[in-house]
This record gives sequence, structure tokens and C-alpha cells, in this order.
Amino acid sequence: GEDVEQSLFLSVREGDSSVINCTYTDSSSTYLYWYKQEPGAGLQLLTYIFSNMDMKQDQRLTVLLNKKDKHLSLRIADTQTGDSAIYFCAERPILTGGGNKLTFGTGTQLKVEL
Amino acid sequence: EAGVAQSPRYKIIEKRQSVAFWCNPISGHATLYWYQQILGQGPKLLIQFQNNGVVDDSQLPKDRFSAERLKGVDSTLKIQPAKLEDSAVYLCASSATPSGRDTQYFGPGTRLTVL
Repeated sequence: GEDVEQSLFLSVREGDSSVINCTYTDSSSTYLYWYKQEPGAGLQLLTYIFSNMDMKQDQRLTVLLNKKDKHLSLRIADTQTGDSAIYFCAERPILTGGGNKLTFGTGTQLKVEL
Repeated sequence: EAGVAQSPRYKIIEKRQSVAFWCNPISGHATLYWYQQILGQGPKLLIQFQNNGVVDDSQLPKDRFSAERLKGVDSTLKIQPAKLEDSAVYLCASSATPSGRDTQYFGPGTRLTVL
């Protein structure tokens, strides 16, 4: 089955870049997602990438995918205090027959210091 | 556009009691999901509905958990009887279709504490 792993904590200074890493195990075609969860709130989709892509950029966010190593990263440029949250990596394999279950990592707590 | 609504936001019960959670998805969304998020972990899918039919309930502990979406809109998740290990946040999400391209929108969750 699918397994998604992330480091637990990351601390950066305001204005620096943050890089959050994730590894996944599924070998089939898959969607890979980054979600943000602020305290007491649900999950907010930040961006996603399909496994046949190498990179996707959306304003301050850059997603890089290394398919050979099954490694996904999320780079946040010019990190702000409002970026402090838990970031979840998730994958969703493209399967015939429907279902398409999301499997989440354990989340990375990003702390932005002044 | 209104988001996914859930109630209650918080619930405290004693073990062996029953509890029910309610979810109202985004209007027009055919696919509805219930996730369990234990503290320090990522969400885990419990059940997925397509309209009022179950697509995936492979990780739902069916001896104590049940869920329904009778009219293909609102959904309820029930736990009977609750155990200590059921303490978690229960998240409801919806998407227009089950496709991976369609965003899953999450509600704020119901935090359950079982004493």
C-alpha cells in the first residue's frame, strides 16, 4: 500500500525560504498534493502536481518532484509568520475502477520566527 | 460559496457512549469523505460516498462506526460504543467528482474527546 513520510518540524526566519520534504512509495501514476492546516481549522489545498511533471510554480510556492527517488518538496519563498502551520503531503494513485483514496503523511510543523 | 459545514465543533463523551457527527458538503458536490485525524498524525480516510452510495469503506471499523448519506447531500457519522482510542478530529470533505483533479474541500472538523 501507499506510504507517505515527512520530517516533523522545520523552523525558519521570516523572509527566508522554507523547504518541506516528502517521500512516497506508490509506483503507479499518481497525484501528489500539499495541504496546509492552521490550528483549529480544516485542511486547505495549496497546490498539486501529477507524477508526469517535474515542477510546478504558483506565486511563492514551488513544487519539485524527483520521480526516480519518489521525493517531493514544497518551497515557500519569502516565508511570512502567516505561513506558520502544519503542512501535509498526500498522494492519490490513479486507479481503474474509481476510489482514488488520498494517503496523507504525518505532517511537518513549520514555525516562522521573527 | 459556502464551505463544508460540520457540527458539533467539539464533543466530550465517556467511553461506551454513542456520538454522531453531521456534515453538509458544498452544494452540488457528489463526492463526500469522512477522515479521522489522530493527534500528531495525518488524516486517514474512513469512508467515501459517491452521491448516496459507498465507494470505499475499507478502513471504517464497522463493528462500532457507521455512516450514511441517505439523500446524497448531508451525511452523518456515528460511533457506538466509543472507545478511548477514538479520540481524534473527524474531518468531512467534499469534491465535485472523485477525480484526482478535483479539489477536496475540508470542513473545520469535529474534535472528539473520549474519557
